[in-house]
Amino acid sequence: EPEVTQTPSHQVTQMGQEVILRCVPISNHLYFYWYRQILGQKVEFLVSFYNNEISEKSEIFDDQFSVERPDGSNFTLKIRSTKLEDSAMYFCASSDNHSGANVLTFGAGSRLTVL
Amino acid sequence: QQQVKQSPQSLIVQKGGIPIINCAYENTAFDYFPWYQQFPGKGPALLIAIRPDVSEKKEGRFTISFNKSAKQFSLHIMDSQPGDSATYFCAANSWGKLQFGAGTQVVVTP
Repeated sequence: EPEVTQTPSHQVTQMGQEVILRCVPISNHLYFYWYRQILGQKVEFLVSFYNNEISEKSEIFDDQFSVERPDGSNFTLKIRSTKLEDSAMYFCASSDNHSGANVLTFGAGSRLTVL
Repeated sequence: QQQVKQSPQSLIVQKGGIPIINCAYENTAFDYFPWYQQFPGKGPALLIAIRPDVSEKKEGRFTISFNKSAKQFSLHIMDSQPGDSATYFCAANSWGKLQFGAGTQVVVTP
């Protein structure tokens, strides 16, 4: 069964450092997403990406965050200068549809710990 | 602003019982209502989903009931098993942006 893969599974970084989280979406999917889940809390939407540009972003997705699809397979989330409150599980997701029966397939997540 | 409200926060049932999780939404633009199951250390996995023109959907032991006028929907787990112990999230979709509920931790005891 096709799956979304994410790397690294866990990253520990110092406050103020840059972090890049990587995702390989399902190959025939066209819509890509990042969500995050702070420990013990709900999953929150960060950003959606389609046709090489951001479709929508939440208020969480400020200037410290950026996304990129550097090649035909990877989809990355960059946090420019990490803060303690960025510690969370970051989930990448992809889908082949944007509305109606929109099925998002999530990756296993990348746990980010900011010290 | 909490667009999708989920309750209860946690639930303990015995094997064979029927945990029921309830969700309510506000935005009538939502067009798709999935439920996700999450095990510790894993990403959310789609369990079952419903569109607003349908009042009930069953897949195996999982049933969604949907009340469009009340803007509420619920998940029933029939004949629950210890392997169903997980956190369950309801969600509502509008143009690919999923709004998740806060999650319900379900524990099924042997």
